[in-house]
Amino acid sequence: NAGVTQTPKFQVLKTGQSMTLQCAQDMNHNSMYWYRQDPGMGLRLIYYSASEGTTDKGEVPNGYNVSRLNKREFSLRLESAAPSQTSVYFCASSLRTGGTEAFFGQGTRLTVV
Amino acid sequence: GESVGLHLPTLSVQEGDNSIINCAYSNSASDYFIWYKQESGKGPQFIIDIRSNMDKRQGQRVTVLLNKTVKHLSLQIAATQPGDSAVYFCAEFSMDTGRRALTFGSGTRLQVQP
Repeated sequence: NAGVTQTPKFQVLKTGQSMTLQCAQDMNHNSMYWYRQDPGMGLRLIYYSASEGTTDKGEVPNGYNVSRLNKREFSLRLESAAPSQTSVYFCASSLRTGGTEAFFGQGTRLTVV
Repeated sequence: GESVGLHLPTLSVQEGDNSIINCAYSNSASDYFIWYKQESGKGPQFIIDIRSNMDKRQGQRVTVLLNKTVKHLSLQIAATQPGDSAVYFCAEFSMDTGRRALTFGSGTRLQVQP
């Protein structure tokens, strides 16, 4: 049982480059989330998708876009990477919107130089 | 690799002792409070939650206490083991806000000494 799978695990980008972080879950969950984790700041919500076909902004959405491709997949795109976007990115899913038990992927460590 | 910051408050306990991790929250309208555990190089993992109309909930080796008067949440771990070494985050969820997702605190590192 894979749970939540994120790709890639590590990435280095130059300032201004673009990339898409991929996330897929195999638990038939309705809701999916993207968080970023910076030193000393815990996890901050970037975007979330309450259900297939819907996406909403979180606490720190600027510089990001998302796509809920289908029920399984939720991708995060950086159109023009900036050093401030250097972080560890986590995708998560939960059975229902606002479910307290969210399942997290292993994370993507992104460095923008 | 290490996923969590270098400046987290740290609680160091001896193996076998009980641990108490504390969290202060600000949103009086939160409906649920939750504890997550994050081991080095991994994503956070759900431990236990408590509804806002409760003041105590017990799980396997863990107890969560909620004091709404002083807006304080704690996680008690009985007979702490080396495998409990991790960063612990409190989180909250409110159905009143438009945001249907968890909001996380900044975390506490638990170090278990053998």
